[in-house]
Amino acid sequence: EPEVTQTPSHQVTQMGQEVILRCVPISNHLYFYWYRQILGQKVEFLVSFYNNEISEKSEIFDDQFSVERPDGSNFTLKIRSTKLEDSAMYFCASSVVEDQPQHFGDGTRLSIL
Amino acid sequence: GEDVEQSLFLSVREGDSSVINCTYTDSSSTYLYWYKQEPGAGLQLLTYIFSNMDMKQDQRLTVLLNKKDKHLSLRIADTQTGDSAIYFCAEYIRNLIFGKGTKLSVKP
Repeated sequence: EPEVTQTPSHQVTQMGQEVILRCVPISNHLYFYWYRQILGQKVEFLVSFYNNEISEKSEIFDDQFSVERPDGSNFTLKIRSTKLEDSAMYFCASSVVEDQPQHFGDGTRLSIL
Repeated sequence: GEDVEQSLFLSVREGDSSVINCTYTDSSSTYLYWYKQEPGAGLQLLTYIFSNMDMKQDQRLTVLLNKKDKHLSLRIADTQTGDSAIYFCAEYIRNLIFGKGTKLSVKP
């Protein structure tokens, strides 16, 4: 069964450094998402992406964050200058169309030191 | 605002039924979902229900939706030790809004 893949599984970065989290969505899916889960808290929506544009973003997704689909398969989340509070599990998801089930990757655990 | 609430823990004996409950606040949700998260793993889509349905059955899983009370439940029949995980309820309104998750422990 096709799945969403995320790399790396764990990323450790110094505060203030840039980090790029990578995702390969399911190949026939058109909508892509990033969510994050701070330890012990809810899974929170960050951003959705369709047709090479951000279609929706949350308050969390400030100017430090950006997303890109650099080629036909990858979907990336960049955090420009990481802060301690960016430490979380980041999940990528994709869906065929907007309100259809979203399929999630296994996540990238981001640790900011 | 939009919110999804779940109880945090549930403990059952192997072979019993588990019922995980969820309440949500936004009646404009189109779909409601159940995801399962095993330790160290991602969110696995278990099942979902369209908001104009009141029940959906899928093998051992039964989803009940009471739209009037904004209450969703997931029943797992004949619960097995492999069902031990965190179960997340989520409503879809432009994006997924998750509950905090219910940790299901299954005792042999």
